[in-house]
Amino acid sequence: SQTIHQWPATLVQPVGSPLSLECTVEGTSNPNLYWYRQAAGRGLQLLFYSVGIGQISSEVPQNLSASRPQDRQFILSSKKLLLSDSGFYLCAWSPTWSGHQPQHFGDGTRLSIL
Amino acid sequence: TQLLEQSPQFLSIQEGENLTVYCNSSSVFSSLQWYRQEPGEGPVLLVTVVTGGEVKKLKRLTFQFGDARKDSSLHITAAQPGDTGLYLCAGASFGNEKLTFGTGTRLTIIP
Repeated sequence: SQTIHQWPATLVQPVGSPLSLECTVEGTSNPNLYWYRQAAGRGLQLLFYSVGIGQISSEVPQNLSASRPQDRQFILSSKKLLLSDSGFYLCAWSPTWSGHQPQHFGDGTRLSIL
Repeated sequence: TQLLEQSPQFLSIQEGENLTVYCNSSSVFSSLQWYRQEPGEGPVLLVTVVTGGEVKKLKRLTFQFGDARKDSSLHITAAQPGDTGLYLCAGASFGNEKLTFGTGTRLTIIP
């Protein structure tokens, strides 16, 4: 069966510090991968998605970047965090062969910027 | 830009009551999905509806896709405290790898 791992679960960082959040998927090949940010109790904002190694699409201009160095690894990064980067970050995958793109989510990272 | 508006934003009802939440858009979707999310966790897929007018049942939950594929509803019969959570709808478009997520409905069932 497929599993998705996301870490860390909680992170507290000072303004101006770098960021690296990692997400890995097991049990599937060539998945579509996604990074979302969620405001408290609200819907999900898509930040980045990837359909293959080294292929990254950015949805909104921001202080963040994403990379996919391996088929099942997706990394969210920042060189200098801003207060506005605080939030709940979710990684997800979907099978490329599915016409209806159901997505499977990790348990998220709660990022607090001080 | 495709938008999905969910209503109500918040809903708090007594255990045993029935409820309906709505997901509306001006855009047409190839399919629509419903997710439930609990605090500190990622959303979990409940159902996918594909055909206009389709109705799917998952125990006490009934999902309907609008005839024009622009809207959907979720009806819960005899709500239980375990139904508490954030309900999110999400629309998929033909040939698009992305989902458009709705604004969410926060449901609280009071024992």
